[in-house]
Amino acid sequence: KAGVTQTPRYLIKTRGQQVTLSCSPISGHRSVSWYQQTPGQGLQFLFEYFSETQRNKGNFPGRFSGRQFSNSRSEMNVSTLELGDSALYLCASSLAPGLNEKLFFGSGTQLSVL
Amino acid sequence: DQQVKQNSPSLSVQEGRISILNCDYTNSMFDYFLWYKKYPAEGPTFLISISSIKDKNEDGRFTVFLNKSAKHLSLHIVPSQPGDSAVYFCAARDNAGNMLTFGGGTRLMVKP
Repeated sequence: KAGVTQTPRYLIKTRGQQVTLSCSPISGHRSVSWYQQTPGQGLQFLFEYFSETQRNKGNFPGRFSGRQFSNSRSEMNVSTLELGDSALYLCASSLAPGLNEKLFFGSGTQLSVL
Repeated sequence: DQQVKQNSPSLSVQEGRISILNCDYTNSMFDYFLWYKKYPAEGPTFLISISSIKDKNEDGRFTVFLNKSAKHLSLHIVPSQPGDSAVYFCAARDNAGNMLTFGGGTRLMVKP
């Protein structure tokens, strides 16, 4: 069974640009959540989607948005990039929300904003 | 304001000895705690968890202890192995079943 797939693996953007990251969950998983990892800050929750609906949202500005498609694939978008948005963005999937032991993470997209 | 804190960014231990990773939290609504392990270039993987109704949970070489009055949990790895070298994140979930709140991580290095 394929794991959680995130594309692209690496991205370099400049300030002011926008970026879209993609996440394909494990087959059969309907819950997808996104996290931002920065050195010293750990993983900070961005949002969680289940059945195409945003279930929870973390404390991030409106420049961060996401969506989930009917096949459970998810995308997140960051507009008007800032230097501080440089981070590893991780996607995780599970069969349903709340199944934290059964939360499977992808390898992440490393975003560098110059 | 970080609700889950791992105050030691790194820890170095000799192979065969005990590794103790610590985690403190501030939100009394947290009722479920987890530890994840992360190798470079990979996503975190679930390691062990504990419910707030317990004070200890053991799985092989890994034991998690929870002290609710101190709002503190710790992960013990005995004996430590070089393959345990990774970044360890503790995480907490509130009793509303909402998203996980992670700590900043502790990088464990186990020396042969």
